[in-house]
Amino acid sequence: QITLKESGPTLVKPTQTLTLTCTFSGFSLSTSGVGVGWIRQPPGKALEWLALIYWDDDKRYSPSLKSRLTITKDTSKNQVVLTMTNMDPVDTATYYCAHRGGHVLPDYWGQGTLVTVSS
Amino acid sequence: QSVLTQPPSASGTPGQRVTISCSGSSSNIGSNYVYWYQQLPGTAPKLLIYRNNQRPSGVPDRFSGSKSGTSASLAISGLRSEDEADYYCAAWDDSLRGWVFGGGTKLTAL
Repeated sequence: QITLKESGPTLVKPTQTLTLTCTFSGFSLSTSGVGVGWIRQPPGKALEWLALIYWDDDKRYSPSLKSRLTITKDTSKNQVVLTMTNMDPVDTATYYCAHRGGHVLPDYWGQGTLVTVSS
Repeated sequence: QSVLTQPPSASGTPGQRVTISCSGSSSNIGSNYVYWYQQLPGTAPKLLIYRNNQRPSGVPDRFSGSKSGTSASLAISGLRSEDEADYYCAAWDDSLRGWVFGGGTKLTAL
């Protein structure tokens, strides 16, 4: 059974750096073809892809946010970490991590974590 | 502004057949599989359709997907009140080298 769970601060101040952790079980990020991605959703708005990391450490970023994002993995801990610098109130959103296995797009999602950016 | 274009809303009466469209380009829908997600209020998205028209185990056959050129559609037959949700299309984009999503369609059962 594949599960993912996001963790991190619920409130960050403008200009601060956000660090989110995705802890997963039921699969290994060292298995060929597997990836974990991050997607966010501002309140009442659409889904937006942020970043993706593959089993071989290949990394992809949304072009519009690439300069602010870093994604890393710790295979031994079954964790993927996303950092986003220079946070702004427009970055207020629910942040999801998701598993990508045999399909090109996510098949399992975490429950999401709401991050509010406010002073 | 989402890369894939969906109508913001759709509606139907219980039992009716409803379709939701998704329009993209040659770099995403035109050259890659389309996926559909259902997001019930207050929950995470759930995979509904993969590889254009395949249903994961547990998804009722009332849900079906199709693709033609750079557009795709999700059809829901025999609409039920529990189908009220937001629906998102998604695909891989060869130019952006990442996932792209539609703006979402809010489905209402009248």
